[in-house]
Amino acid sequence: AAGVIQSPRHLIKEKRETATLKCYPIPRHDTVYWYQQGPGQDPQFLISFYEKMQSDKGSIPDRFSAQQFSDYHSELNMSSLELGDSALYFCASSLRDYRYGYTFGSGTRLTVV
Amino acid sequence: GQQLNQSPQSMFIQEGEDVSMNCTSSSIFNTWLWYKQDPGEGPVLLIALYKAGELTSNGRLTAQFGITRKDSFLNISASIPSDVGIYFCAGQSQGAQKLVFGQGTRLTINP
Repeated sequence: AAGVIQSPRHLIKEKRETATLKCYPIPRHDTVYWYQQGPGQDPQFLISFYEKMQSDKGSIPDRFSAQQFSDYHSELNMSSLELGDSALYFCASSLRDYRYGYTFGSGTRLTVV
Repeated sequence: GQQLNQSPQSMFIQEGEDVSMNCTSSSIFNTWLWYKQDPGEGPVLLIALYKAGELTSNGRLTAQFGITRKDSFLNISASIPSDVGIYFCAGQSQGAQKLVFGQGTRLTINP
């Protein structure tokens, strides 16, 4: 079965640079979520989108922005990167009624040097 | 904000032993989920619980949604080497889509 696809899998950026992470949800899933997981930490919710509109917002820094496109894929844009932004970034997708499945992608490992 | 307290933080067991871990919260959740995460991979859903008091099994895994809606446990019976990993509980509040995760339980199995 198709899963949530994230790209790239690994990304190395320098401080103050910009990064864009992409997420392709499971077909027919209309809701996308972004989570950040620091080393040895649990995933922290950043933001979610339903039908291309922001549906919930968590601890997402102002330097980050995200959007969902008409084909339901989503992009997380991160600017003025800091060393502390180094983490695993997960995307998850679901139908609006999440009880039918809330599936995570394999993540993008961002390293800021 | 909402917090989930998951324990134990780590477990070192022998293959074949049973495992038990739990999560508690100061606030009520309408959904409890249990995930397993392997290194460098995304969390994989093991069991989902939607009703207070619900007891659900998935093979050797059993999880329960506490009656107070503030806790949940996960049991793994007859552990095998592929059970190694980090297990997370996650709660979801009424009307919210985001998940709040526990701190994780790292399971190590000695053959």
